[in-house]
Amino acid sequence: QSVLTQPPSASGTPGQRVTISCSESSSNIGRKSVNWYQQVPGTAPKLLIHTNNQRPSGVPDRFSGSKSGTSASLAISGLQSEDEADYYCAAWDDSLKAWVFGGGTKLTVL
Amino acid sequence: EVQLVESGGDLVQPGGSLTLSCAASGFTFSNYWMSWVRQAPGKGLEWVANIKEDGSEKYYVDSVKGRFTISRDNAKNSVYLQMNSLRVEDTAVYFCGRGMGVWGHGTTVTVFS
Repeated sequence: QSVLTQPPSASGTPGQRVTISCSESSSNIGRKSVNWYQQVPGTAPKLLIHTNNQRPSGVPDRFSGSKSGTSASLAISGLQSEDEADYYCAAWDDSLKAWVFGGGTKLTVL
Repeated sequence: EVQLVESGGDLVQPGGSLTLSCAASGFTFSNYWMSWVRQAPGKGLEWVANIKEDGSEKYYVDSVKGRFTISRDNAKNSVYLQMNSLRVEDTAVYFCGRGMGVWGHGTTVTVFS
């Protein structure tokens, strides 16, 4: 059973750089392609990163994705108040034939 | 501009049925996988199902297998989610997605006894 684990919360001050991790229980994340989503409560999710580190057009380059070893990470540089939202990682599990989401990380801009 | 508009959400009793619809525009619908994702009140995102461009492949999260059916009509640029034997735990906002990239605003399903 694939489980993606994220910290429940993260925080930073304006201008700071924050990172959010996404680890996979079976340590197979190295073979998975990871997406990252931003969701302001009450609205639809927005794709920030696909295929580990690719930004869709229109997403600021302050957002970046990476993967190393047993985890993937989303980095947000030059933190802004409007970045306060919930962030989710997701990956396709080919053995389950299912997409799996992480539990989400609530980012607070102090 | 890509647009996805969900409809069909409602209040329903446990054991009941509901069909959600998603009307797509602004892109060549038949070229994309389509997905449904849901979010229970106060909870995180959960993938529900997806369907290949021509409808030949469909996948579901374990908790809805045998109860939900995803389908599409490429002539109508629409994707559907037929939900049977609904449970209280199916209560959620259901989002339609182009692949896993662009999402509609969602439609609310409430299952109450």
